[in-house]
Amino acid sequence: QGQLVESGGGVVQPGRSLSLSCDASGFTFSSYGMHWVRQAPGKGLEWLTFITYDGSKKYYADSVKGRFTISRDNFKNMLSLQMNSLRTEDTAVYYCVRGTLLYGDYWGRGTVVTVSS
Amino acid sequence: EIVLTQSPGTLSLSPGERATLSCRASQSVSSSYLAWYQQKPGQAPRLLIYGASNRASGIPDRFSGGGSGTDFTLTISRLEPEDFAVFYCQQYGNSLWTFGQGTKVEIK
Repeated sequence: QGQLVESGGGVVQPGRSLSLSCDASGFTFSSYGMHWVRQAPGKGLEWLTFITYDGSKKYYADSVKGRFTISRDNFKNMLSLQMNSLRTEDTAVYYCVRGTLLYGDYWGRGTVVTVSS
Repeated sequence: EIVLTQSPGTLSLSPGERATLSCRASQSVSSSYLAWYQQKPGQAPRLLIYGASNRASGIPDRFSGGGSGTDFTLTISRLEPEDFAVFYCQQYGNSLWTFGQGTKVEIK
């Protein structure tokens, strides 16, 4: 089935940057598209961004377009999310998700990002 | 952007009972583009159903999905203790995902 392990979360001040990583193992990472999805405390799920298996196409939600950047390294089996100009409303658990453009078939356990002064 | 509205917000049932969850879209959604997830407290979501009616790998057959157009349902034929959780529907459209707000299935 594989494993997805997110890291890089923490407490950061508004306006600052943070980079998240997702280490993939147990499956052929380079064959799968990948998403980031977040969940604010006590709230529902919010899709953020998707990258195709080869990194050639990227899609973003309006809420993060221009602030967040998704990327991948298929040699290192790693997915990344660079988050700039963070806002308090970006506070959430961030999940790395394997999947197609249509749905996500495997989710990591998430990493917590807290944006607070 | 297509908005998904799930109902009811909370469903209180006993183990062994049947659960029927609804997901209504603000515009027609291709059946191929509708998925359901289960999330237990403190855990990541798990894919249950994709393409509106296809069970994901390892999902018991007591879970079934159906519907078309703007109305979709997730049915749990007989609730097991481990099924109590929050369920989300999700659709793909215009190169993005949107989720419903979730239905909590709790033990009565």
